[in-house]
Amino acid sequence: GAGVSQSPSNKVTEKGKDVELRCDPISGHTALYWYRQSLGQGLEFLIYFQGNSAPDKSGLPSDRFSAERTGGSVSTLTIQRTQQEDSAVYLCASSLRWLAGGPGSGDTQYFGPGTRLTVL
Amino acid sequence: ELKVEQNPLFLSMQEGKNYTIYCNYSTTSDRLYWYRQDPGKSLESLFVLLSNGAVKQEGRLMASLDTKARLSTLHITAAVHDLSATYFCAAEGAQKLVFGQGTRLTINP
Repeated sequence: GAGVSQSPSNKVTEKGKDVELRCDPISGHTALYWYRQSLGQGLEFLIYFQGNSAPDKSGLPSDRFSAERTGGSVSTLTIQRTQQEDSAVYLCASSLRWLAGGPGSGDTQYFGPGTRLTVL
Repeated sequence: ELKVEQNPLFLSMQEGKNYTIYCNYSTTSDRLYWYRQDPGKSLESLFVLLSNGAVKQEGRLMASLDTKARLSTLHITAAVHDLSATYFCAAEGAQKLVFGQGTRLTINP
């Protein structure tokens, strides 16, 4: 079966533009996660979804960031009015299930290849 | 606020040797995760440690968790070149995962 896929693999945009990053999780995985990896900040957890809902959005860096998941499958991370500090690799992961205790749930997370975002 | 610190951040070792990477976290966390990342690649999940005293092993890697000491270790036995990568630990707290800085491991022949 296919793994987690992300698109685009690379995105170069100009400061102030909006971008959409897409994640297709493994079929049947109810939990989906977004992370960001940059040289300055290391690995950051952004948001996770249980089904279509995101219980906690406080990890998003600013109100320019939003994420949604429809049909319990594909998720889109949108960054409005991009800034240079948004440049990073955005990673998506999914896992089979999650528990009330929080993300991860003890299940293995499978990561996508990432989207490298460069804001000029 | 949950903080996670790894040490060492850089580790160069010879094949055949043993070494340990340490992961300390600042507040109570019931789950600890270890990941591997090869250069230019995404993350690979290695271990999930769910309870105090948990120990998991896969090949030459063994991870353990001491929730009382807020410490997890990743032990490498008889290192081989293929284990060269960056290793991250992450602790779970307040509905999110907090990552350590990563340990860049280089294994020399």
